[in-house]
Amino acid sequence: EAGVVQSPRYKIIEKKQPVAFWCNPISGHNTLYWYLQNLGQGPELLIRYENEEAVDDSQLPKDRFSAERLKGVDSTLKIQPAELGDSAVYLCASSLGRQNQETQYFGPGTRLLVL
Amino acid sequence: KQEVTQIPAALSVPEGENLVLNCSFTDSAIYNLQWFRQDPGKGLTSLLLIQSSQREQTSGRLNASLDKSSGRSTLYIAASQPGDSATYLCAVTGGGGSQGNLIFGKGTKLSVKP
Repeated sequence: EAGVVQSPRYKIIEKKQPVAFWCNPISGHNTLYWYLQNLGQGPELLIRYENEEAVDDSQLPKDRFSAERLKGVDSTLKIQPAELGDSAVYLCASSLGRQNQETQYFGPGTRLLVL
Repeated sequence: KQEVTQIPAALSVPEGENLVLNCSFTDSAIYNLQWFRQDPGKGLTSLLLIQSSQREQTSGRLNASLDKSSGRSTLYIAASQPGDSATYLCAVTGGGGSQGNLIFGKGTKLSVKP
């Protein structure tokens, strides 16, 4: 069974440019998460989807970040415009159902460098 | 606010040694606790999940314990191997305004020398 797929794996952009990350969760997983991981830190949740509904986006910087999960499967996370401080790894994860009881499966992440 | 702390931040041991990684959390009202492994440039792999009603979980050479009342968990790795070298992350679900989301520690970077 395929795991969580993310693309691109690496992205280098100049500040103020837009950037988008794509995630395809494990088939049948209803819950999808986007995390931000800074160097030497643990991941921090940006947004959580239950099917196509964003049920927790309290940590998403909405002035520049946006996300969507059309049809409750694939998801896209966008930053516009990117800032130097956005350089980090963006991780996508999915789980089967209720987050409190389910293991989350993580993708390899997209490593973003903003110059 | 739920906070997760992992000690030590880094650990280097010779191959074959048994070792313990520590995790503590500030709010004991958790649903579960997970230990993850992260290899350089890779995503996270779940190693063990302990529900709040459980005391420990075992998988091969790994054993994780949970003492919810004291806010502590340990990950025991027996007979360590160079392939165990990675960063180990502890995460809890629940407690202190987490809204049921995973709250991670900063991790312990383990190096097992041949």
